[in-house]
Amino acid sequence: GAVVSQHPSRVICKSGTSVKIECRSLDFQATTMFWYRQFPKQSLMLMATSNEGSKATYEQGVEKDKFLINHASLTLSTLTVTSAHPEDSSFYICSARGQGAPDYEQYFGPGTRLTVT
Amino acid sequence: GQNIDQPTEMTATEGAIVQINCTYQTSGFNGLFWYQQHAGEAPTFLSYNVLDGLEEKGRFSSFLSRSKGYSYLLLKELQMKDSASYLCAVLDSNYQLIWGAGTKLIIKP
Repeated sequence: GAVVSQHPSRVICKSGTSVKIECRSLDFQATTMFWYRQFPKQSLMLMATSNEGSKATYEQGVEKDKFLINHASLTLSTLTVTSAHPEDSSFYICSARGQGAPDYEQYFGPGTRLTVT
Repeated sequence: GQNIDQPTEMTATEGAIVQINCTYQTSGFNGLFWYQQHAGEAPTFLSYNVLDGLEEKGRFSSFLSRSKGYSYLLLKELQMKDSASYLCAVLDSNYQLIWGAGTKLIIKP
């Protein structure tokens, strides 16, 4: 089956610094990647959708200047949390959909636990 | 607005059967998913229903009634490893996944 990886799996950073999270599709070309955030005991919340080679589409309430998304290739998307604050501490999950895949098919990465101190 | 409701928590006994319900009100419908999520991990796909009826896959079955905006996930022969959160998600008219808050299932020996 399709595999999506994320790196790092856990990261602790100081308030005010930036953190980059990578999402890679290992055995397929991901034309669309999704970034989610999940707070404890809450559901996944879609942050943004990115298509390879174009700008990401952000959900309402998500600051595009704070959460920078780059989908430069068909196998890699990155999420950079700029000037991180403790309230940005969360579980960030990416998912990917392959070229020609049915609209319902998404494969999830293992997630990245971000803690901002 | 769009809304997906499922119970917050359920408890069941090892070896038993449990049914987790999900009701939804969304702008359009292109299918309903069930995912399993263990604590600290990403969701893993369990099932996808787009037509009415029951889909059986091993110990897990999923049912959909589009006219009632209702689905359930049925887990049989419960095992301790089934302790997890179960997320119901609907693909809306824009092909975006709308997520329920999840049902935490606790299995007791």
